[in-house]
Amino acid sequence: DADVTQTPRNRITKTGKRIMLECSQTKGHDRMYWYRQDPGLGLRLIYYSFDVKDINKGEISDGYSVSRQAQAKFSLSLESAIPNQTALYFCATSDLVAARNEQFFGPGTRLTVL
Amino acid sequence: SQQGEEDPQALSIQEGENATMNCSYKTSINNLQWYRQNSGRGLVHLILIRSNEREKHSGRLRVTLDTSKKSSSLLITASRAADTASYFCATDPIYNQGGKLIFGQGTELSVKP
Repeated sequence: DADVTQTPRNRITKTGKRIMLECSQTKGHDRMYWYRQDPGLGLRLIYYSFDVKDINKGEISDGYSVSRQAQAKFSLSLESAIPNQTALYFCATSDLVAARNEQFFGPGTRLTVL
Repeated sequence: SQQGEEDPQALSIQEGENATMNCSYKTSINNLQWYRQNSGRGLVHLILIRSNEREKHSGRLRVTLDTSKKSSSLLITASRAADTASYFCATDPIYNQGGKLIFGQGTELSVKP
């Protein structure tokens, strides 16, 4: 089984709808991240969390919110989706103890907002 | 803005040739990492080089780091069609308080059989 899983893998929704993307990990890592990827723009950090009680904004947090329900779960919500949030979304984890900050990525969620 | 900038944006070579990708960054770093992404899939970590290292090897991969020029290069030797993917550099800045990596925009490598 994959260490970092994301659901759903694909989602098509309409403008104004609330959407939740979920991420689960079995790696036992403390740190979790949400990124979005757009063609030609690389990965941009939306939110990150060091542990269950810690939430931090990234580079492009406007229009998004997150919840760290447990060490293993980190959800990303779009409160009112808009077309320019159409993108590929990735969850990632890293291990505080390892101190290398190598990140492990989920398979991604392709979100289309019509 | 992204700290890492990669060059070239796209590279097309024949199988068996070497592929070189470059990454430049702006601030001092703890380490620099390279990741690979197959089309539409998650990124996979390839190799990490610390700021006090100048060169590192892993199989057919060779990474160099020049902290005075704030640049790194990834060399893939004897490329194969299966190496076709996008390659991203990611820096771990010294000012980093929480393990955030700063990703470049990537180099799209196409290896033709």
